[in-house]
Amino acid sequence: GQSLEQPSEVTAVEGAIVQINCTYQTSGFYGLSWYQQHDGGAPTFLSYNGLDGLEETGRFSSFLSRSDSYGYLLLQELQMKDSASYFCAVRGMDSSYKLIFGSGTRLLVRP
Amino acid sequence: DAGVIQSPRHEVTEMGQEVTLRCKPISGHNSLFWYRQTMMRGLELLIYFNNNVPIDDSGMPEDRFSAKMPNASFSTLKIQPSEPRDSAVYFCASGTSGGGDTQYFGPGTRLTVL
Repeated sequence: GQSLEQPSEVTAVEGAIVQINCTYQTSGFYGLSWYQQHDGGAPTFLSYNGLDGLEETGRFSSFLSRSDSYGYLLLQELQMKDSASYFCAVRGMDSSYKLIFGSGTRLLVRP
Repeated sequence: DAGVIQSPRHEVTEMGQEVTLRCKPISGHNSLFWYRQTMMRGLELLIYFNNNVPIDDSGMPEDRFSAKMPNASFSTLKIQPSEPRDSAVYFCASGTSGGGDTQYFGPGTRLTVL
């Protein structure tokens, strides 16, 4: 089976950099994804790491290390609108298309 | 692109009543997922379809829950009879088999069972 662990809450200051970690236990998976969800909204796709290393998309970057069973989402130049919950997710290697989501990290950006 | 459409957006019902949630996936997507989200349990996958066929319903909590996908553009999730513990936000998401891990979520249906 698969399980993912994330910190429940992170607080940071506007303009700063924050890293949200995701550690996982899984017998194998295709890649690690990140989703953002604002209060009252729906999850939206942010990034995907199929290979080890860093993927950059604007202010957001995501990293994966399969050998360490670890990944993270890096948010730079934080803005107030980045306050949201962030979920990591994996898709297992059982030929299915379902994602297993972590419990989510609530990011609070303060002025 | 209209995105994933769900209806109703809010539903308030009384215990024992039947509830039907509806979803229209993005045109061209061949995978459809139903999720439930609560504070206590987080985001849970209930069931997913590929090419209109249910592939994995292991997340469906019990026999009171059922889901159908009669065609590529429509799916329903039914709860009968509903119970207060079913109160949650239900999301429908769609994607493509070749799209890997990108799922597009609808706005959700907030269900309250009194």
